[in-house]
Amino acid sequence: RKEVEQDPGPFNVPEGATVAFNCTYSNSASQSFFWYRQDCRKEPKLLMSVYSSGNEDGRFTAQLNRASQYISLLIRDSKLSDSATYLCVVKDGGTASKLTFGTGTRLQVTL
Amino acid sequence: DVKVTQSSRYLVKRTGEKVFLECVQDMDHENMFWYRQDPGLGLRLIYFSYDVKMKEKGDIPEGYSVSREKKERFSLILESASTNQTSMYLCASSSSGRNYNEQFFGPGTRLTVL
Repeated sequence: RKEVEQDPGPFNVPEGATVAFNCTYSNSASQSFFWYRQDCRKEPKLLMSVYSSGNEDGRFTAQLNRASQYISLLIRDSKLSDSATYLCVVKDGGTASKLTFGTGTRLQVTL
Repeated sequence: DVKVTQSSRYLVKRTGEKVFLECVQDMDHENMFWYRQDPGLGLRLIYFSYDVKMKEKGDIPEGYSVSREKKERFSLILESASTNQTSMYLCASSSSGRNYNEQFFGPGTRLTVL
């Protein structure tokens, strides 16, 4: 079983739609959780951290369910510029900055 | 603005060649990482380093070695390149601390081994 699992997509949605991505992780000792964004042929960049209480950054909302070992990302009012691959990322309780990446979910927003 | 640079965007090498991939960061970060990214497999950690001259194996170190002689520079070495090392190689850096610190990535080197 992969340590971090995501649906690869692609998710094809029209502009203005709401779309949600899910991610599951296998290590119950994982401490920190993140979403990174990777544009086509570009490097990954941090989109947002995921906090236990859930958190929001503009049109983006991240949720964490530790009991189910499940992380989600909700994008409201999708824009063309949101088209990218979204990587679910987990940090375990050990080494300070070592991360485990999911394979990513591809989003394509269309007119 | 954090900047991580990699020596080449595209590289083509022959089987058996020794390959050097260089990464430089300008933010005085303690931590540096080398990943490879393949379709369907995502980013996989090859090696990382927490300090000068220090290195630790990641999840897939076989066939690779690294060198960190200066804080800003982290090199990935393929001693004898093989076709299964054809991949996108990404370098990243982050600062140290008790809590998570964001990893900043370079633009990547697409290596093809013929």
